[in-house]
Amino acid sequence: IVLTQSPGTLPLSPGERATLSCRASQSVISYENYIAWYQQKPGQAPRLVIHGASRRATGIPDRFSGSGSGTDFTLTISRLEPEDFAVYFCQHYGSSVWTFGQGTKVEIK
Amino acid sequence: QVQLQESGPGVVKPSETLSLICAVSGYAISSGYYWGWVRQPPGKGLEWIGSVYFSGNTYYSASLESRATIAVDASKNHLSLHLTSVTAADTAIYYCSRLTVGQDSFDIWGQGTLVTVS
Repeated sequence: IVLTQSPGTLPLSPGERATLSCRASQSVISYENYIAWYQQKPGQAPRLVIHGASRRATGIPDRFSGSGSGTDFTLTISRLEPEDFAVYFCQHYGSSVWTFGQGTKVEIK
Repeated sequence: QVQLQESGPGVVKPSETLSLICAVSGYAISSGYYWGWVRQPPGKGLEWIGSVYFSGNTYYSASLESRATIAVDASKNHLSLHLTSVTAADTAIYYCSRLTVGQDSFDIWGQGTLVTVS
């Protein structure tokens, strides 16, 4: 499966809503929904935000939510905080293969 | 608290073998979980290299399978990555990570180590 993220860059202001898209080249098995999202800030390792398409990882605030099924998945940040400006990657797991999307940069407008 | 720490040479010559160690603390590798290596060329996206279970079962990216070897050493509580015949395209930050119980995502990451092929 190839993952395509859009947009490449998302300029927004603090307090605004961010909607990030991740499209899979093939339909993800519904009962698995093995889609994850990561946040990466400059000079840091990625941090798991969402797994299982919609489950927040430990310590992730509830302004982050994941949704989707089939080939289209979304990460939503309801109200951007200053610390949320970063690059976000989606990732799929299936048949012992892990695949990442190319990333979306959420930048301050 | 589980912590991962990558180490290895910062510079490798073209055509040689890149060798990295990931030391795991706060958890015994032999107790379970899958572990993985992910790399990131400077300024670019993430690329999965391979994953290994404590028992030794390994899975590799199709694009790197012919050159990569990942292993677990339970006695030293670390995992290793060897990548042969490196080129400039292998220049990247290399991360080791632990997979979740469901093996579907990476929940704990090391800080990463930059390897330059030159």
